[in-house]
Amino acid sequence: TQLLEQSPQFLSIQEGENLTVYCNSSSVFSSLQWYRQEPGEGPVLLVTVVTGGEVKKLKRLTFQFGDARKDSSLHITAAQPGDTGLYLCAGEALVNAGNNRKLIWGLGTSLAVNP
Amino acid sequence: DTGVSQNPRHKITKRGQNVTFRCDPISEHNRLYWYRQTLGQGPEFLTYFQNEAQLEKSRLLSDRFSAERPKGSFSTLEIQRTEQGDSAMYLCASSLAGALNTGELFFGEGSRLTVL
Repeated sequence: TQLLEQSPQFLSIQEGENLTVYCNSSSVFSSLQWYRQEPGEGPVLLVTVVTGGEVKKLKRLTFQFGDARKDSSLHITAAQPGDTGLYLCAGEALVNAGNNRKLIWGLGTSLAVNP
Repeated sequence: DTGVSQNPRHKITKRGQNVTFRCDPISEHNRLYWYRQTLGQGPEFLTYFQNEAQLEKSRLLSDRFSAERPKGSFSTLEIQRTEQGDSAMYLCASSLAGALNTGELFFGEGSRLTVL
């Protein structure tokens, strides 16, 4: 069974602080997607990382894919109240002897940034 | 608006009743997914379609749940004889999947079900 563990599960910080969210697995993924979800809305894709060791930046958000493509991290610099939400990672894995691909979802990190 | 749309957005029903949710995906997307989500948790996979074919159904999905995508466009998710444990947000997503990737998922705003 392929699992994707996210940590921490909950995070409450003050505006201006930095934070890192981790997504770990024992499985190799062909790519990994990060989503952000606000209350009452569906998740919205932030970024997709594909290459081992890849780093992508989106304003104050920095995403990294592990060299072995088994883990990823999301780092937020100088967090703002608008960053509040549920952050989800989803890894794309080969299934059915490689004949199909599916997304494996983490349980999410609920972030609250207090003003 | 050409995003994924779901309706109804909210549904309150009594235990034992049947409910049906509809999802209209992005028109050129070939894959359509249904997920269930409870508060503060990640999406739980229910089923997905490639065009009109239902390719996978979660083992967590009981026989009371059925989904269709008859013409490869919109999809419906029906829950029969609802139970209080079915209360959740039901999310639909679509993607343009290729031979080598699942594609990026675009989610609707969800249909929130409350079973009394």
